[in-house]
Amino acid sequence: EAGVAQSPRYKIIEKRQSVAFWCNPISGHATLYWYQQILGQGPKLLIQFQNNGVVDDSQLPKDRFSAERLKGVDSTLKIQPAKLEDSAVYLCASSFPGQETQYFGPGTRLLVL
Amino acid sequence: AQTVTQSQPEMSVQEAETVTLSCTYDTSESDYYLFWYKQPPSRQMILVIRQEAYKQQNATENRFSVNFQKAAKSFSLKISDSQLGDAAMYFCACYMTGKLIFGQGTTLQVKP
Repeated sequence: EAGVAQSPRYKIIEKRQSVAFWCNPISGHATLYWYQQILGQGPKLLIQFQNNGVVDDSQLPKDRFSAERLKGVDSTLKIQPAKLEDSAVYLCASSFPGQETQYFGPGTRLLVL
Repeated sequence: AQTVTQSQPEMSVQEAETVTLSCTYDTSESDYYLFWYKQPPSRQMILVIRQEAYKQQNATENRFSVNFQKAAKSFSLKISDSQLGDAAMYFCACYMTGKLIFGQGTTLQVKP
């Protein structure tokens, strides 16, 4: 069974530029999560989708971050414009609806200069 | 407040020895789940072990086992016969009210 796929694995941009990350969940997992993990800290939830609807985006900085999951499968997270403090690893995870166990992708490491 | 606390930023263990990583959590929920995830330098978050709060029996997965003390809200991870490949950052996490809350992590070093 294929795991959660993410791309790119690494990205370096300058502040005020825009960037997008892609995630494809495990087949059949209707719930998809985006986390931000700053170096030395645990992951923090940014947004949770159930199919193509948003369940929780209370921690998403909506002035610069956006996410979509148009067809209820893969998802894109965008940052525009990026700030230095956005440097982090962005993790995507997925699960069956209502299931507590989440499976994570390899993450995208973002460096904002 | 729903929090997960790992009080050991770093731990080290000799290869083949046993090490225990500590975790405490705070929740008013009666139904929740506890997890330990391993994150090697590749940054992939790998599920190590899970525990349902309603189960009294401690979970075990090969060399990994937990000591779940519900009244004390404690959930420690024991790694037996430590191997070089166990070196990683370990995160304790609690799934409660539909959210997965992570601790700050413990970096485990395994010495040959």
